[in-house]
Formats: sequence, structure tokens, C-alpha cells
Amino acid sequence: GAVVSQHPSRVICKSGTSVKIECRSLDFQATTMFWYRQFPKQSLMLMATSNEGSKATYEQGVEKDKFLINHASLTLSTLTVTSAHPEDSSFYICSAEHQETQYFGPGTRLLVL
Amino acid sequence: SQQGEEDPQALSIQEGENATMNCSYKTSINNLQWYRQNSGRGLVHLILIRSNEREKHSGRLRVTLDTSKKSSSLLITASRAADTASYFCATDAKTAKGTGKLIFGQGTTLQVKP
Repeated sequence: GAVVSQHPSRVICKSGTSVKIECRSLDFQATTMFWYRQFPKQSLMLMATSNEGSKATYEQGVEKDKFLINHASLTLSTLTVTSAHPEDSSFYICSAEHQETQYFGPGTRLLVL
Repeated sequence: SQQGEEDPQALSIQEGENATMNCSYKTSINNLQWYRQNSGRGLVHLILIRSNEREKHSGRLRVTLDTSKKSSSLLITASRAADTASYFCATDAKTAKGTGKLIFGQGTTLQVKP
């Protein structure tokens, strides 16, 4: 149990386009999901907390207009990277909390050309 | 901001040896969790230890927590080549709103040589 999926696993896009990443909790409901970003050989940096039915809470330094988060249901949160630039290339990972433990998705590797 | 520091940053051992990784944090916590990440993959939850617990075991894993020193250690016994991965500690900080977001340490890269 407690499986979190992400889609797509890998995406390549042109600079200036927008990319949507989905995070789903497959066998449990999650009122709260989290979005992280990870650069090569570095740790995870929390970007924002996604709250079902309300606005996301962003960490300091994360542009809310650039990283749009929508948590429309108890099993789905989406992260949209708007007007992507090469510096947005990274590994994006979501997580959802279930019984005190956060379970992570497999991640989405974004490459912006 | 990152509040966890892990050491060593990298560890290379022979199969069968034990591996110990340490994690320090800065604020009061509800719990501390350890995760494993294989290269380019998502995180796998290993073990959670609550702030009122001092030691926890799961298979070949042993985790200790010293809240007075704000530190934790992860011991992997009888390591295997398949244990090669990065290991992260993550703290669930105590806040007025309760549990929630995790703050990750910098991670330890473990290489187990066959």
C-alpha cells in the first residue's frame, strides 16, 4: 500500500513552454501533498505544500506564479512549470503523507532546451 | 531551508561490512525519517523514529535518535551491493500547525563493493 505515482517520468520541452506534472496517491487519500526539487548530486528542496481545496503554500524563494500548483482532489496534485527556462531543468518529486509517513513518487525529470 | 546535515557525504565499503551514517538537525522535531534513493529514482521510505523513541530496528537497519544532541544515526549491517544508494534523513519539524513538511539532510552516498 501507500503508492504514489508521477506522470510523466521524463519530459523535454522548449524554452518558453509550460509543463504539467501530475502526482497521484493510488491507494490512499491525501489532503496534503508536497513538491520537491532536486538538482544533480544534491538533496531535496521543498518547493511547496499542496493543500486539497485551498491554495498551496510556497517556500521562501519559490515563485508561485511560475510553479502553479493545483490540488483538485484527494488523490491528485499537479505542478505546472510555466514559461520554462533551461534553469528550471531539474528532477521534480512529489510526496503524500499517509499515517505519519511521507511516500514519494518516482520523480519527473524535466529538461528545458 | 535545509536543516539537516549528514556525514559522511560519501562512504565506500566492502560487501558484508556495516555502514553507519549520521544526521544532525537544528530544531525540535516530531519524528525523523530515513530514506534511500537509487540514482535518478524516487525515494524509498526506510524507517521512521518518533521523538520519544531512542532506537528502532527494521531488518538489517538500526536507527538511533538522540534528541538532546539533535542527532540520529542509521546503521546498515551486513551490507550488500544492492544497498548502494544515497541515504537521506528527513525531519518533521514541530510547528504550531503540527506535522507536515519534511526537511532533508544533504545525504550520504553509500557504495558497497562486491
